[in-house]
Parts: sequence; structure tokens; C-alpha cells
Amino acid sequence: GQQLNQSPQSMFIQEGEDVSMNCTSSSIFNTWLWYKQDPGEGPVLLIALYKAGELTSNGRLTAQFGITRKDSFLNISASIPSDVGIYFCAGRRSNDYKLSFGAGTTVTVRA
Amino acid sequence: EAQVTQNPRYLITVTGKKLTVTCSQNMNHEYMSWYRQDPGLGLRQIYYSMNVEVTDKGDVPEGYKVSRKEKRNFPLILESPSPNQTSLYFCASRLDRGAEAFFGQGTRLTVV
Repeated sequence: GQQLNQSPQSMFIQEGEDVSMNCTSSSIFNTWLWYKQDPGEGPVLLIALYKAGELTSNGRLTAQFGITRKDSFLNISASIPSDVGIYFCAGRRSNDYKLSFGAGTTVTVRA
Repeated sequence: EAQVTQNPRYLITVTGKKLTVTCSQNMNHEYMSWYRQDPGLGLRQIYYSMNVEVTDKGDVPEGYKVSRKEKRNFPLILESPSPNQTSLYFCASRLDRGAEAFFGQGTRLTVV
């Protein structure tokens, strides 16, 4: 099945820094989703994107649906310790039930 | 509270001993699926179901079975578990094809 290329694989960041991660695909998607997984928990939806070019925020998080429909970006501003976790992108093609997931970006924040 | 509930949360078993991981959702969602999560590989879909009595294979279905006799329940069955099925398993549900998925808390399975 279609797997998404998510980068970076991991990052260590200083508290207060802004961070970015992205996801790319060789196929066109019409839905992009960003999830966060805390240790020992299931992924929780952060942001959903449904239109090319769409820019959506959720608190300190901002995500964009790429114009080519083959990529998406997630930015976290002014990171704090509770931002630690694994961030996953997921995408869905127009006539497909399945969600494809990236391998995840592990974020560790240094206090 | 809207939720997806998996049981058990942790399970250690021996090779070849049949087991079932249960999944239940209280949101009247049509679409349910099972994923396994392995380091560096993200979430890979095992099986999914579009409605009662409608199931289909995902990307990694070998060694697994599912059933969907009722809308709320979607159990994952391992008839003869093997060590390569040691993983973290997630059940997810969503209202329809276009909606975002809600995940359970996960089941960590170890097969020795």
C-alpha cells in the first residue's frame, strides 16, 4: 500500500523553538491529517486538511495542504515540554477508504 | 464519552496459542480498521471493515482474521500467533470514508 515519506524521522529541540515537519507522497491526496501520539496512547487527531492550499491552525500548531496535493507540512511554534511525542501524517486518496500513514516524527524537547 | 475501546491493553502469549483482541466503538461509526505499529514503519493497516459483514484486507493481513457481526465491534483474531506478530496494535473507527479516524489506546502484544 501507499506509504508516505515523513521527515525528519526525529528531532531534538530547545523549549521555545519553532519546529517543522513534512510529509510527501508520489500520489495525489484529497485529505491530509496530522496526528500526535503520546507515550502509551493511541494517536490523536490534531489537524485535518481537505483542500489544496488550505492552511489551518490549532493553537500553536499550523498545518498546510500542499498546492500539488502531494505534500503537507506541520509547524509547531514556541515548543513546550508537552509537545514531546510522535507526530504522524496520514493521507487519503479520493476514491479510497484507506488511510496511508507516514513513519512518524519523534519530537523530544530539551527544557 | 465518544471512544474506541480495545482489550486487553497488554498481552504476552506463546507461539501458536489462538488469541482475540477486542475493539468496540460507541459512535455508530461505519468504518473500522486495525493497524499495527512497529518502530520505523509507522502504522500499517491489517484489515478494515466498511460496515457489518463487509471486511477487506489491508496492507499486512497475513496471519490475521477479523469479523464484523455488529456495527460497534471489530475483533482481531490471531489463529496461530508467531513472534513476528509481536507489535503494538491499534483499532480505529470513523463515520465514513471522508472522515478522520479515532484510535483506541492500543494493545501491546508479545508472542514468545
